[in-house]
Amino acid sequence: KAGVTQTPRYLIKTRGQQVTLSCSPISGHRSVSWYQQTPGQGLQFLFEYFSETQRNKGNFPGRFSGRQFSNSRSEMNVSTLELGDSALYLCASSPGALGGQPQHFGDGTRLSIL
Amino acid sequence: GQQVMQIPQYQHVQEGEDFTTYCNSSTTLSNIQWYKQRPGGHPVFLIQLVKSGEVKKQKRLTFQFGEAKKNSSLHITATQTTDVGTYFCAVYDDYKLSFGAGTTVTVRA
Repeated sequence: KAGVTQTPRYLIKTRGQQVTLSCSPISGHRSVSWYQQTPGQGLQFLFEYFSETQRNKGNFPGRFSGRQFSNSRSEMNVSTLELGDSALYLCASSPGALGGQPQHFGDGTRLSIL
Repeated sequence: GQQVMQIPQYQHVQEGEDFTTYCNSSTTLSNIQWYKQRPGGHPVFLIQLVKSGEVKKQKRLTFQFGEAKKNSSLHITATQTTDVGTYFCAVYDDYKLSFGAGTTVTVRA
């Protein structure tokens, strides 16, 4: 069974631009969660999508948004990029909604803002 | 939201020695998960603890959930170089998974 796939693996952008990251969950998994990982803040929850609905959002500005498609694939969008958005963005999937299910992580997208 | 304190932040271990990392919460937890992230890799799920006082073992790793369900520990015996990485605990609260800061383990051969 294929794991969680994130594309692209690396991305370089400049301040003010926007970016879209993609995540394909494990087949049959309906929940996709997104996390930001930085050396200073650690692993921070961004949001979770289950059956195309956002269930919750972490403490991030409105520039961070996402969506989930009917095939459970998810995208995350960050607009008006800031230097502080440089991070590893991880997505994770699970069969059911977040809440006691193991999270299966992808390799992440390394985003660098110049 | 739920806050979990994880200590120590760094653990430098001589190969063959044992060590323990702890995860503490001020409130009662419904469950706790542990993950391992190797350098340059992504977090990998290790275990989930649900019951008060629960103890689970995976080879040289022993996971424990406190009786009051406010703390958890991961104990590794006879540390090997393959144990290098960062170990995170994670708790589910208010529809989100919150991770501890992690314990980064280095091993001296």
